[in-house]
Amino acid sequence: NAGVTQTPKFQVLKTGQSMTLQCAQDMNHNSMYWYRQDPGMGLRLIYYSASEGTTDKGEVPNGYNVSRLNKREFSLRLESAAPSQTSVYFCASSEDPGVDTEAFFGQGTRLTVV
Amino acid sequence: SQQGEEDPQALSIQEGENATMNCSYKTSINNLQWYRQNSGRGLVHLILIRSNEREKHSGRLRVTLDTSKKSSSLLITASRAADTASYFCATVSNTGNQFYFGTGTSLTVIP
Repeated sequence: NAGVTQTPKFQVLKTGQSMTLQCAQDMNHNSMYWYRQDPGMGLRLIYYSASEGTTDKGEVPNGYNVSRLNKREFSLRLESAAPSQTSVYFCASSEDPGVDTEAFFGQGTRLTVV
Repeated sequence: SQQGEEDPQALSIQEGENATMNCSYKTSINNLQWYRQNSGRGLVHLILIRSNEREKHSGRLRVTLDTSKKSSSLLITASRAADTASYFCATVSNTGNQFYFGTGTSLTVIP
């Protein structure tokens, strides 16, 4: 089973460039999430989507936009990349978190903004 | 921020020893989970404990939960070099629909 698939795995951007991180899951989950991971900061939620057609801001949404294209896919867009957005980005999916379910993670995208 | 915190930030032990890491959180929870992250990889779920449970076991893992102190601990017994990884706790609030992750404990098991 593929689980959660993220593309690309690595990316280097120049300041001001834009890019979209892609995420797809094949587990028929309603909920999907984008996190960023920085040293010493753990995982911080950027945006999440509780169901197809809905998105909500997490803890650190500034500088990002998301699209829940369909039930399978949830993309994260950086419109004008900044060095502060250098990070490792993880997509995750789950059933409704309120029903004792676990989150499944992709392998991550390592983004460097120069 | 509703992010939890793990303690210690880093832990180094000899193979065969037990490893204990702690998690503190801030809100009322539905459940608490522990995840493992190998270097350069995504997080993998280890174990879930519900808010009405006090202790849970899974293989060499033992998790305790004290909701009055808003804290949890993860014990890995008879550690192996392959247990070297970062470990994160995550909480799901009883009113929310998100997972809140802690800052992680980096465990090194020396062969």
